[in-house]
Amino acid sequence: GAVVSQHPSWVICKSGTSVKIECRSLDFQATTMFWYRQFPKQSLMLMATSNEGSKATYEQGVEKDKFLINHASLTLSTLTVTSAHPEDSSFYICSARRGLSYGYTFGSGTRLTVV
Amino acid sequence: GQQLNQSPQSMFIQEGEDVSMNCTSSSIFNTWLWYKQDPGEGPVLLIALYKAGELTSNGRLTAQFGITRKDSFLNISASIPSDVGIYFCAKTSYDKVIFGPGTSLSVIP
Repeated sequence: GAVVSQHPSWVICKSGTSVKIECRSLDFQATTMFWYRQFPKQSLMLMATSNEGSKATYEQGVEKDKFLINHASLTLSTLTVTSAHPEDSSFYICSARRGLSYGYTFGSGTRLTVV
Repeated sequence: GQQLNQSPQSMFIQEGEDVSMNCTSSSIFNTWLWYKQDPGEGPVLLIALYKAGELTSNGRLTAQFGITRKDSFLNISASIPSDVGIYFCAKTSYDKVIFGPGTSLSVIP
């Protein structure tokens, strides 16, 4: 079946530094990838949608200059949290889709802690 | 907006009991998705519903797409400890998956 891998599964970084999270579709080519953020005891909130080779589309209220998304290939999308601050600490989850006729597969998430 | 609401917010049940939770929307749409999220993991799709009135089962899980296309329920029969987690209903909107607030399920052995 479709498998999506995220790396790292957890990361601790200092305030002011940047962190990159990778999302890979292991056994299929993903035309579209999605990035979500989940704070404790809350639901998943969509941050942005990325299509291979084009700019990501960000949801309202998500700073595109802070959360840089690159979808350089059909199997890899990266989310870079720039100049991270403690309020950026959250669980980041990606999702990938093979195409309109297929479902969405979610990664296992990345726990980011900014200290 | 197209907000999803789930009830109850949380449940504590005895192992072996049946569970029912539901999801409502202020607008109609064409697809209902039910996901389960274990602690520290991403959500996993349990059941997808595509037609009004559709009733679909997956093992001990049963979900139905309401006739009005504004609601859905998920039932779990004979709960077991590994059913613990957060259950989200979700919908697709413009090729995105939008999640409800979730129902947290705790199963007491």
